[in-house]
Amino acid sequence: DSGVTQTPKHLITATGQRVTLRCSPRSGDLSVYWYQQSLDQGLQFLIQYYNGEERAKGNILERFSAQQFPDLHSELNLSSLELGDSALYFCASSSRTGNTGELFFGEGSRLTVL
Amino acid sequence: AQSVSQHNHHVILSEAASLELGCNYSYGGTVNLFWYVQYPGQHLQLLLKYFSGDPLVKGIKGFEAEFIKSKFSFNLRKPSVQWSDTAEYFCAVTAYNTDKLIFGTGTRLQVFP
Repeated sequence: DSGVTQTPKHLITATGQRVTLRCSPRSGDLSVYWYQQSLDQGLQFLIQYYNGEERAKGNILERFSAQQFPDLHSELNLSSLELGDSALYFCASSSRTGNTGELFFGEGSRLTVL
Repeated sequence: AQSVSQHNHHVILSEAASLELGCNYSYGGTVNLFWYVQYPGQHLQLLLKYFSGDPLVKGIKGFEAEFIKSKFSFNLRKPSVQWSDTAEYFCAVTAYNTDKLIFGTGTRLQVFP
């Protein structure tokens, strides 16, 4: 158990819909990262938050957004869903920013868009 | 932009065979390098990391990796694999003092008894 909790574990929805994925980082960790893992693209960095503020941005689509709340949990919002958004979405946390060292990953949320 | 290449997508070995998984990165500056492992049905976890110093780093479960700066490589090795090493292995890199951890596409290792 990494200490990072993600909900839901599985989600099936239809094209055009909107979903929210939730992540609770390890106790005390200020940084939260979101990654998308798909068969054809591997593990893609989406976005990182540190203590409530956006810190780094990767290949995140405009249809996707994220935020980190004062209690440090984070949500990834995916809207106008397309079939290609079907993937495993991982959240990770770390205690630091810059030279982060080790990231602790959750078990992922598997999104299926039909 | 940084990128990471893992050339072996799928490796099949018998127990006790030696393992070497290739990893090359593209970035001209100082980097931090990592290998993560994902066992079937489990979350990603850190296997080993290199920040500075001795380019040969040792990780958990008998794994080691060697940083060769001139080749932009960070290959993972294990002298004798076990069935329990069956997993997906990801090489990753961050530029020094940044937060964006970039992963390679992963190598699926299957070890047969």
